[in-house]
Amino acid sequence: DQQVKQNSPSLSVQEGRISILNCDYTNSMFDYFLWYKKYPAEGPTFLISISSIKDKNEDGRFTVFLNKSAKHLSLHIVPSQPGDSAVYFCAASIQGAQKLVFGQGTRLTINP
Amino acid sequence: NAGVTQTPKFRVLKTGQSMTLLCAQDMNHEYMYWYRQDPGMGLRLIHYSVGEGTTAKGEVPDGYNVSRLKKQNFLLGLESAAPSQTSVYFCASTQGTEAFFGQGTRLTVV
Repeated sequence: DQQVKQNSPSLSVQEGRISILNCDYTNSMFDYFLWYKKYPAEGPTFLISISSIKDKNEDGRFTVFLNKSAKHLSLHIVPSQPGDSAVYFCAASIQGAQKLVFGQGTRLTINP
Repeated sequence: NAGVTQTPKFRVLKTGQSMTLLCAQDMNHEYMYWYRQDPGMGLRLIHYSVGEGTTAKGEVPDGYNVSRLKKQNFLLGLESAAPSQTSVYFCASTQGTEAFFGQGTRLTVV
């Protein structure tokens, strides 16, 4: 049973526009959520996180929104840049960044 | 500061062979993890450790063993490799609210 789901395997966005990546989870015990970015032949790198006590966290061009009642979170990238082309993983955990449970990933392509 | 380093980066094994993947971290983190990444599956937790001398099973532990004899090292062993273990393996360490990953080991079992 997939506890964290990213239902869009891929997303294509024009440079300068907004990219919105979505993630759903089923386990109501999750209280910490993270987004990781992965380039080919590299390990995932941390992008942004949010605790369940918040509904929004912003870091530069990246904003994560959390809707606990819907068990849904999203990552907004504005404006999108070619270097943002990568696979994005949503992850969830109980208490900090321990034993992360990952979604399947979404491949984001930013077109010039 | 190297962060998390995995050895080797690539390996091809024949079915039934054994090997050990090494993960080393220089951040003095207590928690360490081994994940595997397969197409359409995301990253799945194999085994993890909450401190030196401890190990625990994750989501997909069968066919793997681990050891954490030193705090900075976490070893993943395959005693008898199977084609189903063809995957990309990632080691990670955490302390608090962020997990740091190694660059991955691409393993092919033929």
